[in-house]
Amino acid sequence: DSGVTQTPKHLITATGQRVTLRCSPRSGDLSVYWYQQSLDQGLQFLIQYYNGEERAKGNILERFSAQQFPDLHSELNLSSLELGDSALYFCASSLAGGRNEQFFGPGTRLTVL
Amino acid sequence: AQSVTQLDSHVSVSEGTPVLLRCNYSSSYSPSLFWYVQHPNKGLQLLLKYTSAATLVKGINGFEAEFKKSETSFHLTKPSAHMSDAAEYFCVVSDYNQGGKLIFGQGTELSVKP
Repeated sequence: DSGVTQTPKHLITATGQRVTLRCSPRSGDLSVYWYQQSLDQGLQFLIQYYNGEERAKGNILERFSAQQFPDLHSELNLSSLELGDSALYFCASSLAGGRNEQFFGPGTRLTVL
Repeated sequence: AQSVTQLDSHVSVSEGTPVLLRCNYSSSYSPSLFWYVQHPNKGLQLLLKYTSAATLVKGINGFEAEFKKSETSFHLTKPSAHMSDAAEYFCVVSDYNQGGKLIFGQGTELSVKP
């Protein structure tokens, strides 16, 4: 158990819908990262937050957004969902970022029908 | 730019024989390198990390990796495979100058035959 929690574990929804994925980092970690794992793209970095502020952005679609709240939990919002958004979404946390190792949550499996 | 290349998409070994999973990296600066493992339908678990201390890094479950700057390699090894080692393994480099985002290799699926 990494100490990072993600909810829900599974999500099935329809095209055009909007969903919210939630992540709670390990106690004491200030950085939260979001990654997407799909068969064709592999594991891709989406976005990073550090202590409530956006720190780095990857290949995140404009339909996707995220935020980190004062209690340091984070939410990833996916809107206007398409079939191709079906993937495993991981959250990871680290103490501060930089060279610190990241600890991953169990992931949320999103299926868009 | 940071990148990693895992040289084998699939490796098959017999139980009790050595494991070698190969990874080459490219980095504009001194790299931070990691190996993560993903068991079926599970999250990613950190096996070991290299952050410019000792070049031979020991990890969990008997795995180790050697950082070779001259060869830009960071291969993962284990002397004796166990059935429970069957999983997907990812070589990863940290882009620590840009917040520490992780850049993953394509993964190597390890199969262990009885």
